[in-house]
Amino acid sequence: GDSVTQMEGPVTLSEEAFLTINCTYTATGYPSLFWYVQYPGEGLQLLLKATKADDKGSNKGFEATYRKETTSFHLEKGSVQVSDSAVYFCALTSGGSNYKLTFGKGTLLTVNP
Amino acid sequence: EPEVTQTPSHQVTQMGQEVILRCVPISNHLYFYWYRQILGQKVEFLVSFYNNEISEKSEIFDDQFSVERPDGSNFTLKIRSTKLEDSAMYFCASSEALRGSEAFFGQGTRLTVV
Repeated sequence: GDSVTQMEGPVTLSEEAFLTINCTYTATGYPSLFWYVQYPGEGLQLLLKATKADDKGSNKGFEATYRKETTSFHLEKGSVQVSDSAVYFCALTSGGSNYKLTFGKGTLLTVNP
Repeated sequence: EPEVTQTPSHQVTQMGQEVILRCVPISNHLYFYWYRQILGQKVEFLVSFYNNEISEKSEIFDDQFSVERPDGSNFTLKIRSTKLEDSAMYFCASSEALRGSEAFFGQGTRLTVV
């Protein structure tokens, strides 16, 4: 079945540091890939997405590139801010099921001033 | 900005009791979902709902669970006889379409079964 594996947290960085959160997947067909973010006390929000190989999703300075050859969708940001502190979830929907998102476990990011 | 609204934000119930979690999806969305997240674990799909019927459900979604769209705006998840292991954060989501479209999530209801 479909699965998403993302790097274990928590991740603690200083402001302006470079961020990478690794995500790899297993899926049937050609999945669409997503990063969701959950700020403290809030629901899940879509951060970015990519629907086909080599697409790059980007938003709020975050980027992730759909790499079919390595089945990866790593999240990166060049310079994190304190306000980026949140839990980040990698997820996919696959050709086997257009309806459901399959999530990774989530990675807690804390950015210190 | 339109949003998905869930109530209550926190519910405590005794084991064996029935609970109903409520959600108001975004008004022009056609697809509705429930997910749950047990503390420290993955967000897991429970069920999707379209055109007044279940489209897909996971193995978690057994006979104890049911969903309903009673009045064209609310979308509810009922757990008939709660167990301790049902304690989790339950998220409602809705989307306009299927493949590749964004699912908008509510803030979640934290269910605690004691």
